[in-house]
Amino acid sequence: DAGVIQSPRHEVTEMGQEVTLRCKPISGHNSLFWYRQTMMRGLELLIYFNNNVPIDDSGMPEDRFSAKMPNASFSTLKIQPSEPRDSAVYFCASSLLEDDQETQYFGPGTRLLVL
Amino acid sequence: AQKVTQAQTEISVVEKEDVTLDCVYETRDTTYYLFWYKQPPSGELVFLIRRNSFDEQNEISGRYSWNFQKSTSSFNFTITASQVVDSAVYFCALSASNFGNEKLTFGTGTRLTIIP
Repeated sequence: DAGVIQSPRHEVTEMGQEVTLRCKPISGHNSLFWYRQTMMRGLELLIYFNNNVPIDDSGMPEDRFSAKMPNASFSTLKIQPSEPRDSAVYFCASSLLEDDQETQYFGPGTRLLVL
Repeated sequence: AQKVTQAQTEISVVEKEDVTLDCVYETRDTTYYLFWYKQPPSGELVFLIRRNSFDEQNEISGRYSWNFQKSTSSFNFTITASQVVDSAVYFCALSASNFGNEKLTFGTGTRLTIIP
């Protein structure tokens, strides 16, 4: 079975440009999570969706960040405009909430560098 | 609020030695889940184990074993007869068991280096 798919795997952009990260969750999973990993702050949850509905976006740094999940098989995380401090690895994870148990499975991550 | 503490920032051991990675957690929830993830040098996060708060049985999977003790709020991870392929950053994580609130709180990770 295919795991969580993220694209692109690497992105280099210049400050001020728009960046769009994409995620395809595992088929059948009903929760999707976006995380950011940096040396300074470790792994941080940015936002998560349940059944395509955003449940908690309190981790989104600021208005420059937005996330959407138009359907069960696709989500985007957009940064506009990007800044050098946004440089990080962005992970997408998905899980299936079943019988009150869930395990999050992570994608390979997108390594973002904003110059 | 939930918190996960991995006090060991870095550990180095010689191959074939046993090593234990510590994890201490804080939560007010009576039902919760604990996890371990492995992040090898390639960067992906690999799920290793999930344990719910009602199951304090220790678990063994090959060279890996986990010791869950609610009395000390700890969920420690032991690798027996370590191998170079075990070199990675290991994260302990916690989630509450409230429907619709499955947020994972991660520790800061322990970087394990196995010296050949």
